[in-house]
Amino acid sequence: GAVVSQHPSRVICKSGTSVKIECRSLDFQATTMFWYRQFPKKSLMLMATSNEGSKATYEQGVEKDKFLINHASLTLSTLTVTSAHPEDSSFYICSARDSGGRKDEQFFGPGTRLTVL
Amino acid sequence: AQSVTQLGSHVSVSEGALVLLRCNYSSSVPPYLFWYVQYPNQGLQLLLKYTTGATLVKGINGFEAEFKKSETSFHLTKPSAHMSDAAEYFCAVSAPNQAGTALIFGKGTTLSVSS
Repeated sequence: GAVVSQHPSRVICKSGTSVKIECRSLDFQATTMFWYRQFPKKSLMLMATSNEGSKATYEQGVEKDKFLINHASLTLSTLTVTSAHPEDSSFYICSARDSGGRKDEQFFGPGTRLTVL
Repeated sequence: AQSVTQLGSHVSVSEGALVLLRCNYSSSVPPYLFWYVQYPNQGLQLLLKYTTGATLVKGINGFEAEFKKSETSFHLTKPSAHMSDAAEYFCAVSAPNQAGTALIFGKGTTLSVSS
């Protein structure tokens, strides 16, 4: 149980295009999901907290208009990188909390590798 | 505010040797503490966690960690390293009893295991 999937696992796009990344909780409901960004050989940096049915909470320095987050259902959150540029290339990882489970548990997706040419 | 410091960005050990990865935290209240492992181009796998109770926590793959409040530490150990332990390890902290709180990660430690 407690599986989180991400799609796509890898995407290559041209500069200026938009890319949508999906994060799904497969066997539990998640009112809260988190989006992290990881640069090569670096730690995970929290980008935003995604709350089902409400606006996401962004961390300082993260552009809301560039990284659009939608959490329309209890099992799906999406991150859209708008007008992507090479500096947006990174490994994006989502995590989800089981709404009906322990508060200390957080389940991670396998990540999405974004390369912007 | 909470923070995590992992001492040593790279640790190298021989197969069969003791593994010690260091983690210190800063928090105004005793936090929840976690260790995750990440293999190349993969997500994070939980090794172990401390929330309350026994301060020595045992996890998967023979790893364990001890929460020491007086030292604000949560070091990860394994008695005998295996080649398959080579990976990136992250220590993380979160505020207790807050369902909407994200994890704050340390910068990670790369563990190399030589034969």
